[in-house]
Amino acid sequence: DIQMTQSPSSLSASVGDTITISCRASEDITKYLVWYQRKPGKVPQLLIYGASTLQSGVPSRFSGSGSGTYFTLTISSLQPEDVATYYCQNYNRAPPTFGQGTKVEIK
Amino acid sequence: QVQLVESGGGVVQPGRSLRLSCAASGFTFSNHGLHWVRQAPGKGLEWVAVIWYDGSSKYYADSVKGRFTISRDNSKNTLYLQMDSLSAEDTAVYHCVKDRYSSSYYFDNWGQGTLVTVPS
Repeated sequence: DIQMTQSPSSLSASVGDTITISCRASEDITKYLVWYQRKPGKVPQLLIYGASTLQSGVPSRFSGSGSGTYFTLTISSLQPEDVATYYCQNYNRAPPTFGQGTKVEIK
Repeated sequence: QVQLVESGGGVVQPGRSLRLSCAASGFTFSNHGLHWVRQAPGKGLEWVAVIWYDGSSKYYADSVKGRFTISRDNSKNTLYLQMDSLSAEDTAVYHCVKDRYSSSYYFDNWGQGTLVTVPS
């Protein structure tokens, strides 16, 4: 199975900051990478697919980049409603596997 | 809007069986693959199984292969997970999850989940 490793595991930033979460795959997954946002008490919501394509309705302050084995999720101008745990997931081949999550909090 | 509502969870003794159901609405059920994804207490997300849009193919995580069976009834817009030989390691919230397409292996809608507890 492909291992997905996210860093950091948690971060705290101020409103308006730009933050970046990284996700590394144990082998080349080209661009078969998605990001989910999971707010407290809610189910995961699809943010980005194909490593960089924003899902409809997702604010433009979210962006994704990368290919191969290294990917990033950037939130520009962090907002209070962005408090959540963010997960990456590969869908290059079965089984799809998830990163362990990055918890984002507001200072 | 898309709704996925799981049911059937509960406390079950080791070695026993349980059947989960997921009632779906708000999309063309027979056009999409469907998955089960679980999250054990304090653990990460783990994909469990997929069934293609027409039920023609099914795949399982190694951790459940031979014990769990995924199925669907496209006439009832319902997904199932038959879980046999349960152990404490199967304790988790089980989410019914909609594939973006027929078998893309990424997910655009999640149910709230149903908790399965297998005491050790």
